[in-house]
Amino acid sequence: DVKVTQSSRYLVKRTGEKVFLECVQDMDHENMFWYRQDPGLGLRLIYFSYDVKMKEKGDIPEGYSVSREKKERFSLILESASTNQTSMYLCASSLFGGWEQFFGPGTRLTVL
Amino acid sequence: DQQVKQNSPSLSVQEGRISILNCDYTNSMFDYFLWYKKYPAEGPTFLISISSIKDKNEDGRFTVFLNKSAKHLSLHIVPSQPGDSAVYFCAASEVGTNAGKSTFGDGTTLTVKP
Repeated sequence: DVKVTQSSRYLVKRTGEKVFLECVQDMDHENMFWYRQDPGLGLRLIYFSYDVKMKEKGDIPEGYSVSREKKERFSLILESASTNQTSMYLCASSLFGGWEQFFGPGTRLTVL
Repeated sequence: DQQVKQNSPSLSVQEGRISILNCDYTNSMFDYFLWYKKYPAEGPTFLISISSIKDKNEDGRFTVFLNKSAKHLSLHIVPSQPGDSAVYFCAASEVGTNAGKSTFGDGTTLTVKP
C-alpha cells in the first residue's frame, strides 16, 4: 500500500522559530511537492522537487525553503516562522511522468 | 491570477440524486485534468482524470466531462451517497512540463444528505 507520511499531525510554534516539516514516501517516486491549504484558497504549491537535490519554486515560496537529500524524503523549512504561516501543510509525491499525486495526511501548523 | 476556479464553494444534494461539480480554467496550455477527494483530517486522494484528447471519462459512479472550447470540466456523481460527502478539488496540468506539477482549484464541499 502506497504511503506518504508526515512527521507531525499537529505542531505549535512561536513567531521567529525555525520550523522543520518532514515528509517521507515509500513508493520510490521521483517527484515530491509541498502545498499549503487555507480556507477559500485551495491548495497552493510552495516548492516541488523532481530529483534528489533538485528543487523548484512553486506559487508561494516566500518565507520557505526545502531540502531533498534523499529520494524518499522532502523537508519544508520555515526559517523564521510568522503568524501568517499558520496553515495546513500537505506533502505529496508522484512518479516521474505521472500526474496522479499521493498525499500525506497533512500537518496543522499554528504559529503563535 | 487564479488559473483554475471552482466557483461553487459548497453543494448539497440528496442521497441517490446526481451531484455535479464544476471547474473552469484559463490556461489554454492545460491538457490533463484530475479530480481529488479530501475527507477532514486526511490528505486528498485521486479520484478520476481526463486527457484533453477525450471529452468524457467514466469510472463507476464518477464521470468527468471536458469541454475544451469552453475551458470547463465537470464531475458527475451518480447516484450520490452519504460517503461521497467531502471536499472535491479540480486540478490541471501541462503535459511535458514541470515534473508533474498541477494547479489546484479552491475546492467544493459536497454534502450528500441521507
